[in-house]
Amino acid sequence: GESVGLHLPTLSVQEGDNSIINCAYSNSASDYFIWYKQESGKGPQFIIDIRSNMDKRQGQRVTVLLNKTVKHLSLQIAATQPGDSAVYFCAESAGGYNKLIFGAGTRLAVHP
Amino acid sequence: NAGVTQTPKFQVLKTGQSMTLQCAQDMNHEYMSWYRQDPGMGLRLIHYSVGAGITDQGEVPNGYNVSRSTTEDFPLRLLSAAPSQTSVYFCASNTRDTPVLFFGPGTRLTVL
Repeated sequence: GESVGLHLPTLSVQEGDNSIINCAYSNSASDYFIWYKQESGKGPQFIIDIRSNMDKRQGQRVTVLLNKTVKHLSLQIAATQPGDSAVYFCAESAGGYNKLIFGAGTRLAVHP
Repeated sequence: NAGVTQTPKFQVLKTGQSMTLQCAQDMNHEYMSWYRQDPGMGLRLIHYSVGAGITDQGEVPNGYNVSRSTTEDFPLRLLSAAPSQTSVYFCASNTRDTPVLFFGPGTRLTVL
């Protein structure tokens, strides 16, 4: 069974609603931010990224917002579907591109 | 492309045993890295490599060795397994142009 994420914060939403997952980062020198989705028993999967010279970026059904003033990152998922149920991680890079710092993750539970 | 592959998928060791976790990528990525994932702690960097013959330590390197003799392969060696090394291990790769990591499916390791 899935042991990772036993003590994660959980966001519960109804199918069709919009979801907002938040992340605070600590390093003001971080210049690249990435959101990953991890389904049970699988490796993290890239969703969307944003550089520090941007404050918003949109993908298919997903939007990432970056507020450098308060060091806050959010992932918005439109029209949430059961297949979106997973653990979501934010990650930051402070240059060099050879290492990422990951947040602890948020579990998204989508209910019909 | 197979992407990033890892073997084995599951492994049980006794304290003091040694083993090697295998990782290979066929995307010709320059960078490769190993992370461990523990409940509620996100992913933590163990070791990384920016090219064949070049490796460096991450956040939690103790008890692990790595080598990078080819661009494709990046094995992780546990010299003398301890219960604290019970975790899920992920190998990842990326190009030098972006910190976006591509992850393998993971190895779930239990040390008794």
